[in-house]
Amino acid sequence: QVQLQESGPGLVKPSETLSLTCTVSGDWGSVGHGSYYWSWIRQPPGKGLEWIGQIYHGGTTKYKPALKRRVTMSVNPSKNQFSLKMTSVTAADTAVYYCARVFYDVLTGRGGWVHFDYWGPGMLVTVSS
Amino acid sequence: QSVLTQPPSASGTPGQRVTISCSGGSSSFETKSLYWYQHLPGTAPKLLIYSNNQRPSGVPDRFSGSKSGTSASLAITGLRSEDEADYYCATWDDSLSEGVFGGGTKLTVL
Repeated sequence: QVQLQESGPGLVKPSETLSLTCTVSGDWGSVGHGSYYWSWIRQPPGKGLEWIGQIYHGGTTKYKPALKRRVTMSVNPSKNQFSLKMTSVTAADTAVYYCARVFYDVLTGRGGWVHFDYWGPGMLVTVSS
Repeated sequence: QSVLTQPPSASGTPGQRVTISCSGGSSSFETKSLYWYQHLPGTAPKLLIYSNNQRPSGVPDRFSGSKSGTSASLAITGLRSEDEADYYCATWDDSLSEGVFGGGTKLTVL
């Protein structure tokens, strides 16, 4: 089994930077494993799921184009963590933020970019002064 | 507005069969795999169907997925009260270069 847990401030002021970390644990839970990518997904109150982006242990990233200017993801294999930073936040960024593992073996084609097999429980981040 | 279109709601009575549709407007939809997620409020979403019609281990065979052309569907047979949840389809859109979710369908078990 693999466990993911989001952590970070639950309240961020408008125009400031949202910073979240996802800690991965359990068997097959290494962020350095070659078949996995690591993703952030959010759900604004009363709305649906929104893909934010993902990162590979080597640092390769894919970001949602509409958020690309404000989003940076990083990975820390020594702590088995990956992180999300989002700058210049507004009330529209208020959401439950989920981290998730992406299963995609590029060499064999097994899995896919939205094959999220493990998720964290989610963390509400509110943007308010 | 999502590139994947789902009905906002669906309902059924215990034991019934219900289907939830997901339609896509881009060329990626026809060539990329489709996924389905079950989301109970206050919990993490759960992978229900991958690669159009495959079930992860532990997902009951009451759940099945299909895809043809620009439409896909999730079928649930032998509906149970614990199936009451939001259901999302998802795929990778090459033209947008991003992962996309449908708007979600709220399933009510009457």
